[in-house]
Order: sequence, then C-alpha cells, then structure tokens
Amino acid sequence: DAGVIQSPRHEVTEMGQEVTLRCKPISGHNSLFWYRQTMMRGLELLIYFNNNVPIDDSGMPEDRFSAKMPNASFSTLKIQPSEPRDSAVYFCASSLRRGAYEQYFGPGTRLTVT
Amino acid sequence: KNEVEQSPQNLTAQEGEFITINCSYSVGISALHWLQQHPGGGIVSLFMLSSGKKKHGRLIATINIQEKHSSLHITASHPRDSAVYICAVRLNNAGNMLTFGGGTRLMVKP
Repeated sequence: DAGVIQSPRHEVTEMGQEVTLRCKPISGHNSLFWYRQTMMRGLELLIYFNNNVPIDDSGMPEDRFSAKMPNASFSTLKIQPSEPRDSAVYFCASSLRRGAYEQYFGPGTRLTVT
Repeated sequence: KNEVEQSPQNLTAQEGEFITINCSYSVGISALHWLQQHPGGGIVSLFMLSSGKKKHGRLIATINIQEKHSSLHITASHPRDSAVYICAVRLNNAGNMLTFGGGTRLMVKP
C-alpha cells in the first residue's frame, strides 16, 4: 500500500493567494483527518471526515479555511486568502473507520506564506 | 491547562540507555496513541492503547487508566531513536478526534 499521499510536499506562496492542499487516504479507510503543526501550537486537528462527511470542523481557524471530501479517495484543504500566519506543516491522516483505530499520517505539506 | 501533558520536553541520552517518556491527561479517554516524528517530519504511529501494556521491539508502552498516565519506554536506545515523541488521546465522546501533547524531543548520542 502506498500509504497516505499528500501533495504538494512544499508550497511557497504570497499573502492573499489561494492555496489548495490535497490528500489521498489509504484505500478502504473511512476516516480522514486534517492536522496543522506549528512550532508554537504543536499538532492541532482542523477537521475530520467519516465516510466523506465532515464530522467536526471546530478546529478550522476561520472562514478562510475550507475542506472538502468529494469521494472516498480524495480530500482538499483550501486557504483563501492565505496569510503569513498560515505557514505551517499540514498533515493528512486516515484510519480504518470510526472507533479506536490507528491513524496513518501522510508526509505533510510544508506551507510558507510570504 | 493543557489536557495532555508530556514530560520531559527535551531529553538527551547516551546510546544504550533506558529511556522513559511520560504522558498525563486530565479527562476521560477511550484510547491513547504514541506517535514518533522523525527529523524529516514524517509521523508514524507507534502504539494505540486503551489498557495495560504493549511491546514492539525495543519500545514498550504502558497505560494506567485510573491514574490517567502513560509511559513510553525505549530499551537499549540508539541514535536512530532520535525523534520527537508525541502522546495523543482520544477523548470520551469525541469520536475519532485526537488531542495532542506538546511532544518530547529525544536525542540519543553515540
């Protein structure tokens, strides 16, 4: 299995631009998570989906952030407009299904907003 | 106050030493995870626990539900164990959401 796939691995953009991060979960996994990691705040859950449906988006920092999961094999996290404080590493993870299952993390996307 | 506290924040050890990293939490949980993040940034799930003890190679994880405490032990530490170790808990009634500790940065010197 290829594991969780994220793209791009690195993104550098200017303030005000739209940024789209992509994730392909492990085939057969029903739950997908978006996390953000910064030096100041560590790892934080932004949003998670079960069976393509957003379950909890309370971690999404503000309306500039949106996430979609149009099908079981693809999800996007969009920031529009981006700001320098959005600079972080964004991780996507998936797990087998709702319940006490391990989460498998993607390699992350390092976002730098200048 | 953070719901998940890890100690120590930083740890330097000599190769071969026995290492213990601690995690305490303040609320009811359904499961606890130990994650490892390598210097390159990738995150790997080491253990998921809801009770007792698990062992994988040189790594041992224990949890005491009554005391709301978990430990991660590394026996015969090696420089390749150098990484950040992160404790995360699944809170009761929080579905699949994880709440993370601040991590413990471990450096094992040869």
